Amino acid sequence: GAVVSQHPSWVICKSGTSVKIECRSLDFQATTMFWYRQFPKQSLMLMATSNEGSKATYEQGVEKDKFLINHASLTLSTLTVTSAHPEDSSFYICSARLAGRNREQFFGPGTRLTVL
Amino acid sequence: AQTVTQSQPEMSVQEAETVTLSCTYDTSESDYYLFWYKQPPSRQMILVIRQEAYKQQNATENRFSVNFQKAAKSFSLKISDSQLGDAAMYFCAHPKYIFGTGTRLKVLA
Repeated sequence: GAVVSQHPSWVICKSGTSVKIECRSLDFQATTMFWYRQFPKQSLMLMATSNEGSKATYEQGVEKDKFLINHASLTLSTLTVTSAHPEDSSFYICSARLAGRNREQFFGPGTRLTVL
Repeated sequence: AQTVTQSQPEMSVQEAETVTLSCTYDTSESDYYLFWYKQPPSRQMILVIRQEAYKQQNATENRFSVNFQKAAKSFSLKISDSQLGDAAMYFCAHPKYIFGTGTRLKVLA
């Protein structure tokens, strides 16, 4: 149980276009989902926290107009990278958390974004 | 500030031996959880072990155990009987979903 999927797993786009990444909890309802960014050989950087039905909370330094997050249902959150540029190329990982106090996150397999 | 520090960028261990990965953190919360995650080359994050701060007993999951020192804000991971499949990046995670910089573990045959 507690499987999280991401789609697509790999996307290449041209500079200036927008890209949407989906994160789904397949067998549970996720009250909270998280979006991370990971540069090569580096740690995960928390970008934002999204709760179903409310606006996402962005970490300091993350442009909310650049990285649009929507958490429209208890099983789906989306990250849209708007007007992507080569510096947005990265590995994006989502995770989902069950309600409750143990705060364990279940991670998606990640999406590799390459902006040409 | 909420921080997580992993001071060992890379560690090596001989197969079947024991290795300890260190982690220190800072938090203003009194009741929280700490986590160790493993990220193999596939990059899929896998939960290794979880520690509840209000529990004095150190968590154990098979060959994995932690040494949790709440007052010192230290949370180290011990891997016993290391196996080749343990080779990965290991991240310590803070209750506010902040991750440490990671330790790359190499297991030598």
